[in-house]
Amino acid sequence: GAGVSQSPRYKVTKRGQDVTLRCDPISSHATLYWYQQALGQGPEFLTYFNYEAQPDKSGLPSDRFSAERPEGSISTLTIQRTEQRDSAMYRCASSLTFQETQYFGPGTRLLVL
Amino acid sequence: QQQVKQSPQSLIVQKGGISIINCAYENTAFDYFPWYQQFPGKGPALLIAIRPDVSEKKEGRFTISFNKSAKQFSLHIMDSQPGDSATYFCAAKVWGYQKVTFGTGTKLQVIP
Repeated sequence: GAGVSQSPRYKVTKRGQDVTLRCDPISSHATLYWYQQALGQGPEFLTYFNYEAQPDKSGLPSDRFSAERPEGSISTLTIQRTEQRDSAMYRCASSLTFQETQYFGPGTRLLVL
Repeated sequence: QQQVKQSPQSLIVQKGGISIINCAYENTAFDYFPWYQQFPGKGPALLIAIRPDVSEKKEGRFTISFNKSAKQFSLHIMDSQPGDSATYFCAAKVWGYQKVTFGTGTKLQVIP
């Protein structure tokens, strides 16, 4: 595709529900990143993939957060038992390799009521 | 722990003026310093970046100044235009590693 796409763009859920966010990276990009961006803050690293491998999960806030990229292209970020503090913009980025420029998607704004 | 501090939080500049955004970092292992520009409804996009082996990098109207001893770097936008109105993020990373640490952002408004 022309750029990184994310879906849904907006998600409203109730506390305790599970949510799954999707990222479709630029085709042929090996590396995919997930960030969490609170209002008025910069993006904070959550995790990244090289193809389907996930070498670094250090930024995931808790074990309620998990990410997958089973075939090395599309990725999902799942938040189980959502809490109000999970409300944020979730951004995905991809790069040709981990050394190259990251291209960000438009983000998914999550609101947990 | 905020490893990259950015100021000001917001900035209003008249058209034709110079916009200056400052950042300071703590981790001396950082050796790659990109700046991102973000328009409303869009994701951040790489604007310009610098490695610490140079003190300044210029691309068109955008210049990064880097002071390694002070652990500070800044973005200067010369001849600011209304189309430059956006949020700007400084960032830092260790080259060869994936994690990028972002500043908190500066919302720039350039008024005609």
